[in-house]
Amino acid sequence: GENVEQHPSTLSVQEGDSAVIKCTYSDSASNYFPWYKQELGKRPQLIIDIRSNVGEKKDQRIAVTLNKTAKHFSLHITETQPEDSAVYFCATTGFQKLVFGTGTRLLVSP
Amino acid sequence: DAGVIQSPRHEVTEMGQEVTLRCKPISGHDYLFWYRQTMMRGLELLIYFNNNVPIDDSGMPEDRFSAKMPNASFSTLKIQPSEPRDSAVYFCASSLGEGGPYNEQFFGPGTRLTVL
Repeated sequence: GENVEQHPSTLSVQEGDSAVIKCTYSDSASNYFPWYKQELGKRPQLIIDIRSNVGEKKDQRIAVTLNKTAKHFSLHITETQPEDSAVYFCATTGFQKLVFGTGTRLLVSP
Repeated sequence: DAGVIQSPRHEVTEMGQEVTLRCKPISGHDYLFWYRQTMMRGLELLIYFNNNVPIDDSGMPEDRFSAKMPNASFSTLKIQPSEPRDSAVYFCASSLGEGGPYNEQFFGPGTRLTVL
């Protein structure tokens, strides 16, 4: 089945710095790449997604890039703020369902 | 819309007991997903339905787990008998439209299950 690897598992940055989280996948047929944010004790929520016909997508301070040749995609958060502290999950499609990465705990210190 | 509704929010039970988790998807959504989240295994898809029909149950751990969706507004996940290793947060999610698994999934608040 599809395998998604996510790095790093933990990321600590200072407020205002940028944060980058990277995921690699194995199924070349994957065509949908969402990112979910989960705050402590809360539910996962979609923050951005990209489909395979697009290489990059931005939404204010958040951007996702996709490299289908190398089978990896990344989440970029610029000008980080303390409220960005959460666990971030990448996901991709495999056999008609989403497969999630193991998550990255982002801590933004004031 | 109130979003995806799950009940109970917390459940503490003893090993061997039957546990039933409930979910009401967002009205109009035609896909419903059950996930389990643990520290060790992360977020795992257990089963999902399209128009009340189970599409993929390959993630259901074993025969002790079963899920039903008798109508478009209600689904249950049952564990019988429960075991301590079933302790986890169980999320229900729903989505809309063709390619449902490939569209935004809206998660419920989750049910935190503890099996003693």
